[in-house]
Amino acid sequence: GENVEQHPSTLSVQEGDSAVIKCTYSDSASNYFPWYKQELGKRPQLIIDIRSNVGEKKDQRIAVTLNKTAKHFSLHITETQPEDSAVYFCAAGLSGSARQLTFGSGTQLTVLP
Amino acid sequence: GAVVSQHPSWVICKSGTSVKIECRSLDFQATTMFWYRQFPKQSLMLMATSNEGSKATYEQGVEKDKFLINHASLTLSTLTVTSAHPEDSSFYICSAILAGGPASTDTQYFGPGTRLTVL
Repeated sequence: GENVEQHPSTLSVQEGDSAVIKCTYSDSASNYFPWYKQELGKRPQLIIDIRSNVGEKKDQRIAVTLNKTAKHFSLHITETQPEDSAVYFCAAGLSGSARQLTFGSGTQLTVLP
Repeated sequence: GAVVSQHPSWVICKSGTSVKIECRSLDFQATTMFWYRQFPKQSLMLMATSNEGSKATYEQGVEKDKFLINHASLTLSTLTVTSAHPEDSSFYICSAILAGGPASTDTQYFGPGTRLTVL
């Protein structure tokens, strides 16, 4: 089955700096890679996703890059703000088949004011 | 749109009793719902995949007789923790996928979770 590794487990940055979280996956068949943000005590919320037919996707301050050959993908947050503080999970799965996602272990991001 | 609710949001029960958790898709139909368990400061561990009108598919190591899943309609799945014990205490979260549609419906929409405490 799929195995997703996520690093780092904790990340502290100064407000305004950038944050990068990296994930690797093992199953070359995976072609759907979402990122979820989970604030303390709340539900995970999708913030961005990418499919294997593209290498990069941006949405305002958030971007995700995918390297299919190396089987890794990364989340980039620029101009970080205190409200970006949360746990971020990457995941990998198959698009369009309603199959389950395999989640990474999560990264606790703290943005220091 | 795409709101998923869970009920109850928290429950405390005595050891040996059963607890039912409901997961509802409020404004869309979901042929597939997933049940996860999340320990403090840990990731989402998939317990089972629930498909409307058929038996759930359980992940390895998850006891199907202990965690009963029923997906009787396109908007409701239930998880029943039978004969609960303190080690079953955890945060249980469901998610749902929009039925049919293009690849853009890959998104899993999560419920707010249920905190179960077994005394």
